[in-house]
Amino acid sequence: GENVEQHPSTLSVQEGDSAVIKCTYSDSASNYFPWYKQELGKRPQLIIDIRSNVGEKKDQRIAVTLNKTAKHFSLHITETQPEDSAVYFCAASPADYGNNRLAFGKGNQVVVIP
Amino acid sequence: NAGVTQTPKFQVLKTGQSMTLQCAQDMNHNSMYWYRQDPGMGLRLIYYSASEGTTDKGEVPNGYNVSRLNKREFSLRLESAAPSQTSVYFCASSEWVNQPQHFGDGTRLSIL
Repeated sequence: GENVEQHPSTLSVQEGDSAVIKCTYSDSASNYFPWYKQELGKRPQLIIDIRSNVGEKKDQRIAVTLNKTAKHFSLHITETQPEDSAVYFCAASPADYGNNRLAFGKGNQVVVIP
Repeated sequence: NAGVTQTPKFQVLKTGQSMTLQCAQDMNHNSMYWYRQDPGMGLRLIYYSASEGTTDKGEVPNGYNVSRLNKREFSLRLESAAPSQTSVYFCASSEWVNQPQHFGDGTRLSIL
């Protein structure tokens, strides 16, 4: 089955700096890669996603890049703010279920220091 | 629109009791999912329903059953609760499979 790993597990950044979280996956046939943000005690919320036919996608301060050859994709947050503090989950859609489901990583804790 | 609504929000059960978690969405989505979230484990898929009338096992289906009652509703049943099923349960829906998933607020379930 799909193995999705996130690094680093915890990331602390100064407010205003950039944060980068990397996610690796094992199934080369995965074709959909979302990132979710979860604040403490709240539901996961989609912040950005990318499909396998695209290399990069941007939405204001957030971007995702995909390297299919190396089987990894990264979340980039620029000009970080205290409200960016949360746990971020990446996911991939493995082909073993016909790309019908998502396999999630275990999450990265991001702490933005004011 | 309420999005994805889960009931109850909190529940405490004794070992061996049964319980059904309810989930309903008002976005006219075709696909629905049940996940459990345990500390340090991320989100693990229990069951999903790609479309009305179909259900499939996910990564951790043992001890659970599901029913896709209609297009809007997807319930999760614990027939004989065990302490290992203490977790936060999230329901999600998407327009179709392989599309962005929208999550409910979760059900916090403790089994003593």
